[in-house]
Amino acid sequence: GAVVSQHPSRVICKSGTSVKIECRSLDFQATTMFWYRQFPKKSLMLMATSNEGSKATYEQGVEKDKFLINHASLTLSTLTVTSAHPEDSSFYICSARLRYEQYFGPGTRLTVT
Amino acid sequence: AQKITQTQPGMFVQEKEAVTLDCTYDTSDPSYGLFWYKQPSSGEMIFLIYQGSYDQQNATEGRYSLNFQKARKSANLVISASQLGDSAMYFCAMAYSGAGSYQLTFGKGTKLSVIP
Repeated sequence: GAVVSQHPSRVICKSGTSVKIECRSLDFQATTMFWYRQFPKKSLMLMATSNEGSKATYEQGVEKDKFLINHASLTLSTLTVTSAHPEDSSFYICSARLRYEQYFGPGTRLTVT
Repeated sequence: AQKITQTQPGMFVQEKEAVTLDCTYDTSDPSYGLFWYKQPSSGEMIFLIYQGSYDQQNATEGRYSLNFQKARKSANLVISASQLGDSAMYFCAMAYSGAGSYQLTFGKGTKLSVIP
């Protein structure tokens, strides 16, 4: 099956710093990737849709300037959490679309101290 | 707007028994897809099964089958011969082509616990 990797799997950073999370489709090209956020014991919340070569489409309530998304190639999308604060601590999951299916990365657990 | 409803926050099943996880959906889009994902404690989302809105037959994948009742807008997941490794969160999700990108809308999930 299609494989999506995510790096790093865990990151701890200090308040005010920026963190970059990478999402890669390893064995297929994905023109569309998605970024989700998941709070403990909650469902996945779509943050943004990332299309290769164009600006990301953000969901209502998601700050574009805080969560910077770059989809520079057909196999890589990055999410940068800028000026992170403790309330940004969460589990971030990306997915890559292949035809009508989405394949998920293993997730990144971000802790902001 | 698309909506997915999972009414069972938690379910218990005896090992080797079958279990049904409920999912209902709401959409006005005639073309959509329904998915089930498993999320173990590690956090990874594992794709289980897919059903297209125009598929005539219910989808099956090994021990997983999807009971698709279009008129009732339900897409229940049936797991046969439950195993201890099936203990996890299960999410029902729907994708629709209306947005052009096949975004997924997730339900709140059902936590399945398999009892030895």
